[in-house]
Amino acid sequence: DAGITQSPRHKVTETGTPVTLRCHQTENHRYMYWYRQDPGHGLRLIHYSYGVKDTDKGEVSDGYSVSRSKTEDFLLTLESATSSQTSVYFCAIMGTGSSREQYFGPGTRLTVT
Amino acid sequence: AQSVTQLGSHVSVSEGALVLLRCNYSSSVPPYLFWYVQYPNQGLQLLLKYTSAATLVKGINGFEAEFKKSETSFHLTKPSAHMSDAAEYFCAVTSSTGGGNKLTFGTGTQLKVEL
Repeated sequence: DAGITQSPRHKVTETGTPVTLRCHQTENHRYMYWYRQDPGHGLRLIHYSYGVKDTDKGEVSDGYSVSRSKTEDFLLTLESATSSQTSVYFCAIMGTGSSREQYFGPGTRLTVT
Repeated sequence: AQSVTQLGSHVSVSEGALVLLRCNYSSSVPPYLFWYVQYPNQGLQLLLKYTSAATLVKGINGFEAEFKKSETSFHLTKPSAHMSDAAEYFCAVTSSTGGGNKLTFGTGTQLKVEL
């Protein structure tokens, strides 16, 4: 258990509304990641962070922004949600060993109507 | 650039039979490779990892995988399937030399275990 929680776990929202998902970790890991999971696509990286206020884009970053104001929290924001952003969102942290494995949170299921 | 191909989006085996899930990777630098398992409505759990030590790596729940550089493969096996192995399995690759430690995932293989 890497001490990762995500909130909310489920959310239904309407097209055009802003949405923020939160990832919280308890073990001071430097690297944090946001992925989305869609059938037939596996997991795709949205954004990641390598420290407080240090973030970078992933493969599918359009329409998403992130913020990390403290080590333990990594926020994902959909500025204006669209139906194509209906997905399951996973947060992950990179372990402290040299093997670079990532550990995942339980996920947030987001539905945009 | 790196990529992962998982052959077979669905695999079905009988209980007690060999499980073989295929993964081929592409990477311009020496890779680190991982297999994850996902049970319904849960997050991903690390099964095993290859990080350039032994080419045959053992993981949890009796699974193992062999890194074959000449074939750019990292196939997952288990000698005898159990009903509890039914889940989705993901192969993933990252670079061993920096780049934000970003994982690239395959599209997953759904394993079904039948009586």
